[in-house]
Amino acid sequence: GQNIDQPTEMTATEGAIVQINCTYQTSGFNGLFWYQQHAGEAPTFLSYNVLDGLEEKGRFSSFLSRSKGYSYLLLKELQMKDSASYLCAPMDSNYQLIWGAGTKLIIKP
Amino acid sequence: GAVVSQHPSRVICKSGTSVKIECRSLDFQATTMFWYRQFPKQSLMLMATSNEGSKATYEQGVEKDKFLINHASLTLSTLTVTSAHPEDSSFYICSASAGEGVTEAFFGQGTRLTVV
Repeated sequence: GQNIDQPTEMTATEGAIVQINCTYQTSGFNGLFWYQQHAGEAPTFLSYNVLDGLEEKGRFSSFLSRSKGYSYLLLKELQMKDSASYLCAPMDSNYQLIWGAGTKLIIKP
Repeated sequence: GAVVSQHPSRVICKSGTSVKIECRSLDFQATTMFWYRQFPKQSLMLMATSNEGSKATYEQGVEKDKFLINHASLTLSTLTVTSAHPEDSSFYICSASAGEGVTEAFFGQGTRLTVV
């Protein structure tokens, strides 16, 4: 079956760095997306990885290891506005996004 | 990025009535639109996939006669919740993609439906 595993909740301090891990099992693989979702709002796109390695985009970086079925999202210089849920969504062989419950990130001053 | 507009953002309706939610792609042609629902603290659940001009493909367990989806043009898809019940209260989100294969999904703002 298809499965996504992320921590349910994480807490970090403003200005610090946090890494959100994601392991996945899918039927086929066409890359992996990370989305940010604030409470009561729709998800917004953060990153897309299809090859192994690290993709850096400003304060956010995303890493992928296809052989391990593993990805992480790294957030640097955390700001209060980064408090949100972070959704790891691999795309399967049918080009469908598979959604987990996401990781709720709480930023404390 | 591309803009997807979803309307209304919030709706309260009486049990037994129908509610229509619109999803529009404002600056691109959406060949495929997806409808999700999301309960509090849970993941997005795909309800159906619709391609312009053809019938929607519903996920297992989703009643197609209750959740009517129309994708009549490349910029508009609608979801109608018929004979709504309190258990249909949820956050409904549409997303649209511009082509086949790997494309970024652009999300609408979501619709908070409350059935009383």
